Amino acid sequence: GEDVEQSLFLSVREGDSSVINCTYTDSSSTYLYWYKQEPGAGLQLLTYIFSNMDMKQDQRLTVLLNKKDKHLSLRIADTQTGDSAIYFCAEYRRRALTFGSGTRLQVQP
Amino acid sequence: EADIYQTPRYLVIGTGKKITLECSQTMGHDKMYWYQQDPGMELHLIHYSYGVNSTEKGDLSSESTVSRIRTEHFPLTLESARPSHTSQYLCASSEGSSEAFFGQGTRLTVV
Repeated sequence: GEDVEQSLFLSVREGDSSVINCTYTDSSSTYLYWYKQEPGAGLQLLTYIFSNMDMKQDQRLTVLLNKKDKHLSLRIADTQTGDSAIYFCAEYRRRALTFGSGTRLQVQP
Repeated sequence: EADIYQTPRYLVIGTGKKITLECSQTMGHDKMYWYQQDPGMELHLIHYSYGVNSTEKGDLSSESTVSRIRTEHFPLTLESARPSHTSQYLCASSEGSSEAFFGQGTRLTVV
């Protein structure tokens, strides 16, 4: 995950929006992904964006991609306590997905 | 719902024992992967396979070995477990270079 960077921790209040940021280095990545990991579980694919898109919205989730700055963000609207988890961005590089270090989202009631 | 399964979910084993972590997928995916996840959350690729009889080492050096005799099965073996092998091991599969689907993981503790 050394080439995909994320902030480690984010705390928000229930009902607020959460924005999780990610920077990557491989400009040839075709797809970029967001995964969610709940305690003691594997990774669950949340959403992905194709590299020729700037934005993708899926219910409460909005993904923004700035290819020039190699910056990817995930916005969660109306954040709920059930959204508390670790969120990973990932890009497919050469042979497998390379993951960021993960952002732990804590939602306060 | 992804059809990829790992067993066991939790394993506590003594130093020097040989262990095999099982991973099976029923999606017919050609590619399979093993990631090691340390307590700091980062995932590191330790093995991958492009298909039957194809296995390669990943980015993080590991003393484990893997085999891919059948498309659906990708077991990971440690010949002699050590406390430094204590970690969470995550198996995944994908069709080509598309999104990967993950199993629930095996949390290994070597005492």
